[in-house]
Amino acid sequence: QTVVTQEPSFSVSPGGTVTLTCGLSSGSVSTNNYPTWYQQTPGQAPRTLIYSTNTRSSGVPGRFSGSILGNKAALTITGAQADDESDYYCVLYMGSGIVVFGGGTKLTVV
Amino acid sequence: QLQLQESGPGLVKPSETLSLTCTVSGGSISSSSYYWGWIRQPPGRGLEWIGNIYYSGNTYYNPSLKSRVTISVDTSKNHFSLKLSSVTAADTAVYYCARRCSSTTCYLNAFDIWGRGTMVTVSS
Repeated sequence: QTVVTQEPSFSVSPGGTVTLTCGLSSGSVSTNNYPTWYQQTPGQAPRTLIYSTNTRSSGVPGRFSGSILGNKAALTITGAQADDESDYYCVLYMGSGIVVFGGGTKLTVV
Repeated sequence: QLQLQESGPGLVKPSETLSLTCTVSGGSISSSSYYWGWIRQPPGRGLEWIGNIYYSGNTYYNPSLKSRVTISVDTSKNHFSLKLSSVTAADTAVYYCARRCSSTTCYLNAFDIWGRGTMVTVSS
């Protein structure tokens, strides 16, 4: 069974830059997986940040960007702010209509 | 503005069937650009995709849940439904319904609109 891997937790200083990654237990992530990134705060439904690898959703600040780094998808936050402290999930499309969520990364801004 | 709203029992007994409905308002479920799906989140844990349905009735399920899941659509009522059979405590979660784009004219493959979620507890 396909497993999508993410760092369980990450910490960044206010104003700093952090890159979260999203990999596969077997194989490499490519644009054909249409990597999508979501931000979730406690008690709220997820919000789409990035879709199709690197396209920002409407209203998402420019400090969020997506890319492929090596064999993984990546979400970079440049100039982190206090309200970026959230859980971040990536989702990969595996074909045949199937998507798989990563386990999520808890980002702390301290 | 399109909105999704989950509804259904908040408490289900072990071995019974969990049934939820997602009502779509402010837009039509019969759009060729979108799937309609279910995602769940156990308390304190991550998100898990359950499955999607197209307005035509085509379904796509998480392989790990496929044997217990049925998703159906009623275009006349503009809603779609989830049934999960033989539930156990491990099925206790917040259940979200969401719209997922299937076209390059929207956020391709992304869940772009979500319901607020409904908590379902499996307990006797």
